[in-house]
Amino acid sequence: KAGVTQTPRYLIKTRGQQVTLSCSPISGHRSVSWYQQTPGQGLQFLFEYFSETQRNKGNFPGRFSGRQFSNSRSEMNVSTLELGDSALYLCASSSRHSGNEQYFGPGTRLTVT
Amino acid sequence: DQQVKQNSPSLSVQEGRISILNCDYTNSMFDYFLWYKKYPAEGPTFLISISSIKDKNEDGRFTVFLNKSAKHLSLHIVPSQPGDSAVYFCAAVGFAGTASKLTFGTGTRLQVTL
Repeated sequence: KAGVTQTPRYLIKTRGQQVTLSCSPISGHRSVSWYQQTPGQGLQFLFEYFSETQRNKGNFPGRFSGRQFSNSRSEMNVSTLELGDSALYLCASSSRHSGNEQYFGPGTRLTVT
Repeated sequence: DQQVKQNSPSLSVQEGRISILNCDYTNSMFDYFLWYKKYPAEGPTFLISISSIKDKNEDGRFTVFLNKSAKHLSLHIVPSQPGDSAVYFCAAVGFAGTASKLTFGTGTRLQVTL
């Protein structure tokens, strides 16, 4: 069974631009969560989608948004990029069968200059 | 407000010895805890978990201990191997309605030396 895939793996953007990251969950997994990892902050929860609905949201500004499609694939968008948005963005999927365990993709490394 | 804390940013252990990674939490509503391992340029990999109804869970070389009264958990790796060198994250589950999210600590970098 294929794992969680994320595209692109690396991205360089300039301040003020917007970016869209994509995540394909493990087949059969309907829950997709997004996390931001920065040095010293660990992994910070962004939001979770289940059956195309946002179920939970972390403490990030409205510039961070996401959506989920009927095939469970998910995208997250960051508008008006700031230097502080430079981070590794991780996507994780889970199913009711996996319980609380979430399975992570390799991440997208975003650099904002 | 860091609800899950890993106070040791790094740990160095000799091959064959025991590695003990610690984690503290402040939110008494957390009732499920997980450990993840992360190599550079890869996403975290699930390692082992424990429910709050237990105080110990074992899987091969990995054992997680939970002390609810102290709001403390630890991961023991015995014996430690060079391939265990990675960053280890402790995570806790907090429920919001029917949803769940993982709250992570900041990680401990484990280096296993020969």
